[in-house]
Amino acid sequence: EVQLLESGGDLVQPGGSLRLSCAASGFTFSNYAMSWVRQAPGKGLEWVSSITGSGDSTYYADSVKGRFTISRDSSKNTLYLQMNSLRAEDTAVYYCAKYNSEYYYHYYMDVWGKGTTVTVSS
Amino acid sequence: DIQMTQSPSSLSASVGDRVTITCRASQGINNYLTWYQQKPGKVPKLLIYAASTLQSGVPSRFSGSGYGTDFTLTISSLQPEDVASYYCQKYNSGPLTFGGGTKVEIK
Repeated sequence: EVQLLESGGDLVQPGGSLRLSCAASGFTFSNYAMSWVRQAPGKGLEWVSSITGSGDSTYYADSVKGRFTISRDSSKNTLYLQMNSLRAEDTAVYYCAKYNSEYYYHYYMDVWGKGTTVTVSS
Repeated sequence: DIQMTQSPSSLSASVGDRVTITCRASQGINNYLTWYQQKPGKVPKLLIYAASTLQSGVPSRFSGSGYGTDFTLTISSLQPEDVASYYCQKYNSGPLTFGGGTKVEIK
């Protein structure tokens, strides 16, 4: 069974940093692109970032470009999101999601984790 | 960047009603569109991909259609367990934008 388990969410002050992790199991991790999607309290879904299965290509939403970095470690079957210069508007539940291909363009997210909560507040 | 606009933002219908949600792209995206269902307090779930292909295990009362810029998600006979928010998402190229969502409630 495909499983994704996020961790690392916390309360952090504005300007602070946080690293989220997503532990994957039940599939060959390096064969699939992965993504982070967030949802602010009471709001809709917002795509944040995607990475190919090999890790050699990444893409970011304008709202996080230059502040967030997506990466993956296939030896640990883990996806990461390094979040720097955090702002109040980054407060959200962060979901990791698996694509149905090693690429993210022209392919879709078919499995989602349960999410981890990030709160940015002083 | 291509914008995805969903309508309505919310709706209330009776059990057994036919419900239609629309999603409009500001530029053509062929059929690179998914629909997700998110029940209250739950994780988003894939319903439809490639605009009209039902994900395995999804009830047949759900259907999708459209190509280019205009897409629809239809629930042929609304059930109490369909109370949820529904989101479209483009996945052709550029930012992988979601629509703003449609909240479906039972009247």
